[in-house]
Amino acid sequence: DAGVIQSPRHEVTEMGQEVTLRCKPISGHDYLFWYRQTMMRGLELLIYFNNNVPIDDSGMPEDRFSAKMPNASFSTLKIQPSEPRDSAVYFCASSLGGRGLSQETQYFGPGTRLLVL
Amino acid sequence: ELKVEQNPLFLSMQEEKNYTIYCNYSTTSDRLYWYRQDPGKSLESLFVLLSNGAVKQEGRLMASLDTKARLSTLHITAAVHDLSATYFCAVERGAQKLVFGQGTRLTINP
Repeated sequence: DAGVIQSPRHEVTEMGQEVTLRCKPISGHDYLFWYRQTMMRGLELLIYFNNNVPIDDSGMPEDRFSAKMPNASFSTLKIQPSEPRDSAVYFCASSLGGRGLSQETQYFGPGTRLLVL
Repeated sequence: ELKVEQNPLFLSMQEEKNYTIYCNYSTTSDRLYWYRQDPGKSLESLFVLLSNGAVKQEGRLMASLDTKARLSTLHITAAVHDLSATYFCAVERGAQKLVFGQGTRLTINP
């Protein structure tokens, strides 16, 4: 298995522009998570999906952020309009779900490094 | 609100020495995870601890969980340079929701 795939790996954009981050979870995984990592705030859960349905978006910082999962193999995180304080590494992760050692482990993608100028 | 605190945040040690990273959390949970992150890289799962008293070992790393004390430890035995990385603990806050600690940046010097 290729693991969790994210694109792009790096993104540099100007303030006010729309940014779309993409994620392909591990095949067969029912849960998909979006995290953000910054020096100041560490790793934060933004939103997660179960079977393509958003379960908890309480970590989404504001209305400028939106996430979708149109099918089991694809999710997007969109920022519109982007601001310099959105600069961070955004990770996507997936898990099988259920209870038990192997089901609960979240596998992280390589991340997207976003810089908003 | 669940808070997860790691101690220390920075650790510089010599090879062949032993040390322990501590992870304290503020509310009841019986699931705790340890991850490793190399600079500029993603997070790699190390251990999943599912119950009180759980102990897991992999090579020179050993993790344990005391749910009564709300404490997990990651013990490093006879450290080697390859173990230099940032180590995160994460505690489950409801099904599948993880709250991460600040991370412990470990540097192992020859």
